[in-house]
Amino acid sequence: GAGVSQSPSNKVTEKGKDVELRCDPISGHTALYWYRQRLGQGLEFLIYFQGNSAPDKSGLPSDRFSAERTGESVSTLTIQRTQQEDSAVYLCASSSRLAGVYGETQYFGPGTRLLVL
Amino acid sequence: EDQVTQSPEALRLQEGESSSLNCSYTVSGLRGLFWYRQDPGKGPEFLFTLYSAGEEKEKERLKATLTKKESFLHITAPKPEDSATYLCAVQAAGTYKYIFGTGTRLKVLA
Repeated sequence: GAGVSQSPSNKVTEKGKDVELRCDPISGHTALYWYRQRLGQGLEFLIYFQGNSAPDKSGLPSDRFSAERTGESVSTLTIQRTQQEDSAVYLCASSSRLAGVYGETQYFGPGTRLLVL
Repeated sequence: EDQVTQSPEALRLQEGESSSLNCSYTVSGLRGLFWYRQDPGKGPEFLFTLYSAGEEKEKERLKATLTKKESFLHITAPKPEDSATYLCAVQAAGTYKYIFGTGTRLKVLA
């Protein structure tokens, strides 16, 4: 595909239920990031995947959050036992891994808007 | 500590009234500075990447500039369709993480 895609675009769930969010990065992009954006706030880093390296999970807010990635393709973010404070937009971004000193440009998906009732 | 601060938080302009948005950063070795536009309910849309002080990039009514301490996003003769939140982010040397500012909400009135 031409860009990063995410599904579902919207998700409404009841408190205590589990949800799974999906991200398809740009083909060939080895780096994949998940962010959380609460209403009116900035982007909060959650997790980073780079190729077959161990992911950086340092941004996950609790053990209810987990994420997986298959090779350099699809990633899923799972939130177990959802709470109302989990309501936010979950954004996925991917970038190609460039050697050297230059920063890599991230490209974002449209996000999944999660509402926990 | 690496940090990004954007100002102003919100800006209202009349159509055609040029202005600038500021992104101040503190980072130990800049690998890149990135500008994004975010419309309500959508993901950030990439605008520019700047790598070194003195660099400038332009796209339509937007021009981004970079110094060793800050970046400006200049908007010339804005139109209502330029209304959005503009995000700035930096990537520091030796890291893969991006540090985002909280954005400037721009409203252009017809």
